[in-house]
Amino acid sequence: KQEVTQIPAALSVPEGENLVLNCSFTDSAIYNLQWFRQDPGKGLTSLLLIQSSQREQTSGRLNASLDKSSGRSTLYIAASQPGDSATYLCAVMNTGFQKLVFGTGTRLLVSP
Amino acid sequence: GAVVSQHPSRVICKSGTSVKIECRSLDFQATTMFWYRQFPKQSLMLMATSNEGSKATYEQGVEKDKFLINHASLTLSTLTVTSAHPEDSSFYICSASFAGARQETQYFGPGTRLLVL
Repeated sequence: KQEVTQIPAALSVPEGENLVLNCSFTDSAIYNLQWFRQDPGKGLTSLLLIQSSQREQTSGRLNASLDKSSGRSTLYIAASQPGDSATYLCAVMNTGFQKLVFGTGTRLLVSP
Repeated sequence: GAVVSQHPSRVICKSGTSVKIECRSLDFQATTMFWYRQFPKQSLMLMATSNEGSKATYEQGVEKDKFLINHASLTLSTLTVTSAHPEDSSFYICSASFAGARQETQYFGPGTRLLVL
């Protein structure tokens, strides 16, 4: 059974800092991994999707890496801004299934 | 494009009553819809997967008689929480995908906050 864990559970940083969020998964037979953003009481916004054959994806100030063999992914946020404050979720889709297994999330607070 | 809506956005009900939550794909035909539940400060847990015109497939531990899912059309799926109890209070989120999209693409609704008193 796939299990996804995210560290840290919460993170508070001053504006402008670069930061790294971590995601680990137990079953390396994944089809892809996605990073989502969730604002309080809201749905999910897809940020980055990495196919199993890829090692990283970039979008603006965000960079996500994937090391499938070790079961790890990181989300790097450069020059953080207060508007980045949200919960960040990683989710994996196992090969052969359309189901997403979500991690526990990292609550990020960027203070001005 | 690919917008998913949910109604209502929040609902409060008395214990023992039933509540229906709607999930609609506004600009595409959703061949598959997913229902998730999220408890406070926890992650999303998949409850069930439904394909249009077929019975929903429930995840282990999810009571199908308590959480009734209907996907009668390509743009609408409903989740009915029957005989709701306070422990059913949660944030329910649906997502939808369509034939022809990349396998991994799910479009998420904004969620429905359910509070059972």
